[in-house]
Amino acid sequence: AQSVAQPEDQVNVAEGNPLTVKCTYSVSGNPYLFWYVQYPNRGLQFLLKYITGDNLVKGSYGFEAEFNKSQTSFHLKKPSALVSDSALYFCASTSGGSYIPTFGRGTSLIVHP
Amino acid sequence: DSGVTQTPKHLITATGQRVTLRCSPRSGDLSVYWYQQSLDQGLQFLIQYYNGEERAKGNILERFSAQQFPDLHSELNLSSLELGDSALYFCASSPRGNEQYFGPGTRLTVT
Repeated sequence: AQSVAQPEDQVNVAEGNPLTVKCTYSVSGNPYLFWYVQYPNRGLQFLLKYITGDNLVKGSYGFEAEFNKSQTSFHLKKPSALVSDSALYFCASTSGGSYIPTFGRGTSLIVHP
Repeated sequence: DSGVTQTPKHLITATGQRVTLRCSPRSGDLSVYWYQQSLDQGLQFLIQYYNGEERAKGNILERFSAQQFPDLHSELNLSSLELGDSALYFCASSPRGNEQYFGPGTRLTVT
């Protein structure tokens, strides 16, 4: 069975500082990995994905994520945080021919002015 | 705007009642997924349809059912509602089974 873990319920960072939201996965076969963001009272919004190829994936709004196979991680990063980045972030994975993603429980990112 | 639409936005109903939530996928997407999001359970996958046929089932209660119509819109039917069914219900559509595009959700309150 596949699983996705987001070890931090909340991440606090000052505006302008780099941010990292952590995600680790456990899947059989090659993973497809995704990050989504959810703003209050909105649906999840796709940010970026890793399917294959370059381990560093760039996505929307200046976010990027690094796939690390040996550490089974797919951490979300941004060089300089904005207050408007404050939201709930979900990591998800699919694998083994299943298109049903397994989602992490989400990490609340709070960017302080 | 993801291109996925859901109606209604809010729904308040009493225990024991039945409601129908509606979803229209993005143009060209054949897959529709339904999710339930609550504070204690997180984001739970309920059911997937592909081009009118049920493809996968998740943690969907027997009191819940869904279908996808020939025009690809989908409906989620929730019956014999309980207080614990109060949650946000999202649908999502997907091109080629990769990333998903979520609708704005329906907030269901059961009183």
